[in-house]
Amino acid sequence: GAVVSQHPSWVICKSGTSVKIECRSLDFQATTMFWYRQFPKQSLMLMATSNEGSKATYEQGVEKDKFLINHASLTLSTLTVTSAHPEDSSFYICSARERHLSFNEQFFGPGTRLTVL
Amino acid sequence: SQQGEEDPQALSIQEGENATMNCSYKTSINNLQWYRQNSGRGLVHLILIRSNEREKHSGRLRVTLDTSKKSSSLLITASRAADTASYFCATAPLSGGYNKLIFGAGTRLAVHP
Repeated sequence: GAVVSQHPSWVICKSGTSVKIECRSLDFQATTMFWYRQFPKQSLMLMATSNEGSKATYEQGVEKDKFLINHASLTLSTLTVTSAHPEDSSFYICSARERHLSFNEQFFGPGTRLTVL
Repeated sequence: SQQGEEDPQALSIQEGENATMNCSYKTSINNLQWYRQNSGRGLVHLILIRSNEREKHSGRLRVTLDTSKKSSSLLITASRAADTASYFCATAPLSGGYNKLIFGAGTRLAVHP
């Protein structure tokens, strides 16, 4: 149980285009989903927290107009990188927190590698 | 800084040896978690230790937590080549609001056959 999937697993796009990444909790309901980015050989940096049915909360320094997050249901959150540029190339990882858990264990997706040419 | 600190940054050992990784953090926490990441992959949850616990075991893993020093350690005993991965600690701050996790910089472990 507690499986989180991401789609696509990798994507290559041209500079200036937008890319959408999906994060799904497959066998549980996730009240909260988190989006992280990870540069090579570095740690995970939290970008934003997504609560079902409400606006995402972004971490300091993360442009909310560039990284659009939608959490339309208890099993799906999407991250759209708008007008992507080469510096947006990174590994994007989502995680989900199960609604019935009393402490904040998060279940992580396998990640999406974005390469912007 | 969003990240805590982990040491060592990289650790290279032989199979059968024990591997110890340390993590320090800055704020009061609800719990601390350790994750493993194979190269280019997602994270796998290893173990969670609550702020009122001092030690926890899971198979070959042993985690300690010292809240007075704001530090934790992860010990992997009798290491195997398959343990080669990056290991991250993540803290759940008491003031996290929406229960976010703050990740440490990670330790890259290489276990040689």
